[in-house]
Amino acid sequence: DAGITQSPRHKVTETGTPVTLRCHQTENHRYMYWYRQDPGHGLRLIHYSYGVKDTDKGEVSDGYSVSRSKTEDFLLTLESATSSQTSVYFCAISESEGLAGEQYFGPGTRLTVT
Amino acid sequence: DAKTTQPPSMDCAEGRAANLPCNHSTISGNEYVYWYRQIHSQGPQYIIHGLKNNETNEMASLIITEDRKSSTLILPHATLRDTAVYYCIVKNFGNEKLTFGTGTRLTIIP
Repeated sequence: DAGITQSPRHKVTETGTPVTLRCHQTENHRYMYWYRQDPGHGLRLIHYSYGVKDTDKGEVSDGYSVSRSKTEDFLLTLESATSSQTSVYFCAISESEGLAGEQYFGPGTRLTVT
Repeated sequence: DAKTTQPPSMDCAEGRAANLPCNHSTISGNEYVYWYRQIHSQGPQYIIHGLKNNETNEMASLIITEDRKSSTLILPHATLRDTAVYYCIVKNFGNEKLTFGTGTRLTIIP
């Protein structure tokens, strides 16, 4: 299995509080992705990174920011959590642009915003 | 990227071949077909991909029709652990992103 960990695995937080989720990889892959998964919507891309300090928005980026200061870490921040951000969040990695179809996913973080 | 259509659910008997169809009638010449699956509560798992030739690996076979408008993922000897949601995705080679649909929920029946 690809070396991808996510932390925390579960989190309950209150509306209006900031939350940061961490994705850590040991594969030295260039691309990293954050998805959210909700019933009826499948997986939707939030943000992705194509290198250190290089990031871009996905289809559901509003309310989220990301940072990548090192190859191995990709952080997802909810500046002020809302109940609509209750979801399961998955991180993924891929080796290169040409191999971006072969993504390897982490175990997920279940976030509940009350 | 072209849109895909999959049946929402399928059943297959344990030990039999599971054949999962996918329609992608608007696929263009430089778009690949990818298959992933997601076992309950886990992250999606890459299975296989192809352009126009049939492909096989240790997990599955991918059959793409000659006109490339549809494909079939084959799990040759399904086990209970193959129960999952299977996603068919069409992606341009140069696109850095995947777009997941709602997939096919495959249930393997003992």
